[in-house]
Amino acid sequence: QVQLQQSGPGLVKPSQTLSLTCAISGDSVSSKNAAWNWIRQSPSRGLEWLGRTYLRSKWYSDYAVSVKGRITINPDTSKNHFSLQRNSVTPEDTAVYYCARDPSSGWYWFDSWGQGILVTVSS
Amino acid sequence: QSVLTQPPSVSEAPGQRVAISCSGGSSNIGDNVVNWYQQLPGKAPKLLIYYDNLLPSGVSDRFSGSKSGTSASLAISGLQSEDEADYYCEAWDDSLNTVVFGGGTKLTVL
Repeated sequence: QVQLQQSGPGLVKPSQTLSLTCAISGDSVSSKNAAWNWIRQSPSRGLEWLGRTYLRSKWYSDYAVSVKGRITINPDTSKNHFSLQRNSVTPEDTAVYYCARDPSSGWYWFDSWGQGILVTVSS
Repeated sequence: QSVLTQPPSVSEAPGQRVAISCSGGSSNIGDNVVNWYQQLPGKAPKLLIYYDNLLPSGVSDRFSGSKSGTSASLAISGLQSEDEADYYCEAWDDSLNTVVFGGGTKLTVL
């Protein structure tokens, strides 16, 4: 059974960097059948897919157009986890952040989710 | 404003059947699979239906999904109080090149 355990700060100051980590158990970040995603949820924007990382012939990272260039999603094979980094946060980045596995090799459904971390951007 | 449109709320009595609609377009529902999630208060979403109408292991067969054209529907039969939750539809959008979610439907079991 796949379990995803998230870690990271709950409070970040505006203009600082947000870094979150999702530790995987029961699967491998290097699986060639899965993709590893970040999704956030806020009252104003609802559920919003941010992007993913996955291994096929090489490592790929895809991002939502709304956040492309502003976030980075990276795997760490030595720790079997993946991370999200968002530079220069603003109050609009306040949300519950989830990591999630897509086991479908490209159909985009999410069968395992992390517990969620509420990130508040405030001074 | 969500790309996929769901009713904000539905309600029905215990034991009855309810359907939640999800309306999209040719670039999302019309061309890609639809998935459904259940979110209990304070919890992460849980996959309920994938690939339009398939049930993940462990999900009750009281839940079913269907799709026609650019609309999809989640049906829940034999309603129970534990079904009270928010339900979301989701699909890939070819034009936006992103995963899109519905705005969510709050189910109340009267």
